[in-house]
Amino acid sequence: DAGVIQSPRHEVTEMGQEVTLRCKPISGHNSLFWYRQTMMRGLELLIYFNNNVPIDDSGMPEDRFSAKMPNASFSTLKIQPSEPRDSAVYFCASSLGRPPEAFFGQGTRLTVV
Amino acid sequence: AQSVTQLGSHVSVSEGALVLLRCNYSSSVPPYLFWYVQYPNQGLQLLLKYTTGATLVKGINGFEAEFKKSETSFHLTKPSAHMSDAAEYFCAVTTHAGNMLTFGGGTRLMVKP
Repeated sequence: DAGVIQSPRHEVTEMGQEVTLRCKPISGHNSLFWYRQTMMRGLELLIYFNNNVPIDDSGMPEDRFSAKMPNASFSTLKIQPSEPRDSAVYFCASSLGRPPEAFFGQGTRLTVV
Repeated sequence: AQSVTQLGSHVSVSEGALVLLRCNYSSSVPPYLFWYVQYPNQGLQLLLKYTTGATLVKGINGFEAEFKKSETSFHLTKPSAHMSDAAEYFCAVTTHAGNMLTFGGGTRLMVKP
C-alpha cells in the first residue's frame, strides 16, 4: 500500500482565501484523523472520523474550519477564510481496529500570508 | 480522559551514548502506549507500541520501552545513539475502548558527534 496520501505537500495562500487540504487514507482503514502541528501548540487533533462519520470535532478551532469524508477513500479539510494564524503543518492519519495504531501522511505545510 | 507528559522538550546526547526519553501518562483504565518518531519534513512513524503482555517492548532501529504501571511511565531507551536518531519523538496513549491517540508535547533528540 502507498500509505496515507496527502495533497498538496505545500500551500501558500493569501489571507482571506479558501484552502482545501486533501487526504486519501490507507485502503481498508476505518478511522481517519486530522491533526495540526505548530511550534507553539504541538500536535493537536482537529477531528476524527469513524466509518466516514465525524465522531469528535471538538478540536476544530472555529467555524472557519470544516472537514468532510464523503467516502472511505477520501477526506478534505477546508479553511474559509484563511488567516495567517492558520499557518501550520496539517497531518492526516488513518487506523484500523485495536490497538488504534495511526499511520500518518507526509503532511501539508500551509502558509497564509 | 488520558494525558501524556514528556519530560524535556530537548535532549542532547553524544554519539554512542545511552538515549533515554521520558514519558509519563495518566489514564483511569489500562492504556495502549505508543512511541512515534518524526524526522524533519516528514510525518510521524511508529517506533513501538505496548498493548498487553510483556512490559518490555522492542521497536525499530534498536529502540525499546518499558511499561511500568506503578510509575505510570513508558520511557524510551536506546543503548547507543547514532547520528541518524536525531529527530523528534512523541509518546501517545489511548485506552482499550478508545480510537483517538493523545500525544505528548514531543522531545527533540540531538546527537552530537
